[in-house]
Amino acid sequence: SQQGEEDPQALSIQEGENATMNCSYKTSINNLQWYRQNSGRGLVHLILIRSNEREKHSGRLRVTLDTSKKSSSLLITASRAADTASYFCATDVSKAAGNKLTFGGGTRVLVKP
Amino acid sequence: GAGVSQSPSNKVTEKGKDVELRCDPISGHTALYWYRQRLGQGLEFLIYFQGNSAPDKSGLPSDRFSAERTGESVSTLTIQRTQQEDSAVYLCASSPRTSYTGELFFGEGSRLTVL
Repeated sequence: SQQGEEDPQALSIQEGENATMNCSYKTSINNLQWYRQNSGRGLVHLILIRSNEREKHSGRLRVTLDTSKKSSSLLITASRAADTASYFCATDVSKAAGNKLTFGGGTRVLVKP
Repeated sequence: GAGVSQSPSNKVTEKGKDVELRCDPISGHTALYWYRQRLGQGLEFLIYFQGNSAPDKSGLPSDRFSAERTGESVSTLTIQRTQQEDSAVYLCASSPRTSYTGELFFGEGSRLTVL
């Protein structure tokens, strides 16, 4: 099973509304990252939050991390049609054998103009 | 180039044929990753390179899959005797980080269709 699981799987909102999506994970992490993927494209890094941080902001993005609940949330405020994309959380569980990010299944966000 | 480059962007092959997918990471990035993404799904880790060595091959789904990296630069993912279930987008990413997994820079992917 996947380390990260996003909720909801899909989200449809009107332009100007806020979009919130959640990510739960199973094992201890070094950091958690959020990525965006436009249809048919590669992934673009949005924000990284370390395990000792609780909240982080970047422009219209706000990420929270609750390590006791093993969960994170991504909030996009004042959404725009251009925010339509899939959003993935990814956890870093780096160990001696090597580093890698483990991705969840993603949340598909549709922002209607 | 400025970003991660992958080729081919699209590949259609017949079941049983071998395919090679290429990744050119960002210059100077020591870490290189291959992921597989099936339609509408998340990313499935395949293999990770640190320099030219692969400390973690745990994600390769079968012995039909192999990857190499030379000159701490270009990497090739080879799939032998392709099967229809290999159809997916294969994404390559690179990172300058070594001590932990920081931001990954992704290519646009190679879409593989096995008929």
